[in-house]
Amino acid sequence: EKVMTQSPATLSVSPGETATLSCRASQSVGSDLAWYQQKPGQAPRLLIYGGSTRATGIPARFSGSGSGTEFTLTISSLQSEDFAVYYCHQYNGWPPGAWTFGQGTEVEI
Amino acid sequence: QAHLVESGGGLVKPGGSLRLSCTASGFTFSDHYMGWLRQAPGKGLEWISYISNNGRDVFYADSVKGRFTISRDNAKNSLYLQMNNLGAEDTAFYHCARAIAVAGLFSGFDPWGQGTMVTVSS
Repeated sequence: EKVMTQSPATLSVSPGETATLSCRASQSVGSDLAWYQQKPGQAPRLLIYGGSTRATGIPARFSGSGSGTEFTLTISSLQSEDFAVYYCHQYNGWPPGAWTFGQGTEVEI
Repeated sequence: QAHLVESGGGLVKPGGSLRLSCTASGFTFSDHYMGWLRQAPGKGLEWISYISNNGRDVFYADSVKGRFTISRDNAKNSLYLQMNNLGAEDTAFYHCARAIAVAGLFSGFDPWGQGTMVTVSS
């Protein structure tokens, strides 16, 4: 199983600052990595897929980078609505039983 | 705009069964693979099942294999999850989600439904 480790567990930032979230895979997942945002009481929302491609309607302040085992989600000019939990998800390999999620990073004020 | 709504959750005793439903709207349901994922209270996300657009191919996480059955009715724009022999470890919010594909390859789940809560307790 490919274990996804996110860091830090909690990130304290102020509005207008930049947040940098990390996701590390125990084995290479190529570029088969997505990032999701989840706000309290809401469903997760896809932000990034393919490691760096923004999903439809996602603001440009969200950017993803990395490949292999190291990935980064960068949120520039944080806005109040960006405070949430962020999960990485690797979908490298088939069947889907090989897919795994990170444990999440909470971005808080 | 694509929208998913789950139903069917509730309180069930250990060893019991539940059937979850997910109704889709705003997109051509029969074009998309679909998945079920869950989130235990205060915990992270876990993929549990996946079904091809025509329903012929199904996949399960080891944690639910042999107990859960995924199915779909494209005429009704509906996805289902039959859950049997439930245990406390199955207590979670259950979300259905549409798979998106780029160049025919899975690229993420979008959107997700709000989820339906399943509580397994005596």
